[in-house]
Amino acid sequence: RKEVEQDPGPFNVPEGATVAFNCTYSNSASQSFFWYRQDCRKEPKLLMSVYSSGNEDGRFTAQLNRASQYISLLIRDSKLSDSATYLCVVKGGGYNKLIFGAGTRLAVHP
Amino acid sequence: GAVVSQHPSWVICKSGTSVKIECRSLDFQATTMFWYRQFPKQSLMLMATSNEGSKATYEQGVEKDKFLINHASLTLSTLTVTSAHPEDSSFYICSARVRQEVWAFFGQGTRLTVV
Repeated sequence: RKEVEQDPGPFNVPEGATVAFNCTYSNSASQSFFWYRQDCRKEPKLLMSVYSSGNEDGRFTAQLNRASQYISLLIRDSKLSDSATYLCVVKGGGYNKLIFGAGTRLAVHP
Repeated sequence: GAVVSQHPSWVICKSGTSVKIECRSLDFQATTMFWYRQFPKQSLMLMATSNEGSKATYEQGVEKDKFLINHASLTLSTLTVTSAHPEDSSFYICSARVRQEVWAFFGQGTRLTVV
């Protein structure tokens, strides 16, 4: 089983749609959680951290369920510029490194 | 904000030659740097972790004699792909973390093509 698993995608949605990505992690001792965005042939960029209390940044909402070892990202009112691959990233559990999910590709069309 | 600069952004080399990739933290001291490799349509796979002044820690399956990592200062880490082969063609990305910070900043990546 992979340490971090994500929806395979791709998600093809129209502008204005709401889309949700899911992610599960296997190490219950993991401590920190993030969503990164990666554009084609570019480096990943931090989108937001994920906290147990949930956090929101504009159109983006991230939530963490430690009991279920589940992380989600909700994007409201999708824009064309949201088209990218979204990476679920986990850190901790005694490791000083980030573990990346395979990513979910989002394509927003007019 | 913190910036990590990676150079070169792309390189084409002949099979059997060596290629050096540099990763610099421009406005902070990076106590830890990470090197990743990403094949098309796959996720980033950690290759090794380097701490300034000490030997790198390689992930299982990564040949330390083939992928030489040097982290000689708090602002520079280098990855040298020795005796490159076509199967080493990939997107190599470094990231750097400041002490006390949880997340890491990424370099722009280097696209290596071995012909």
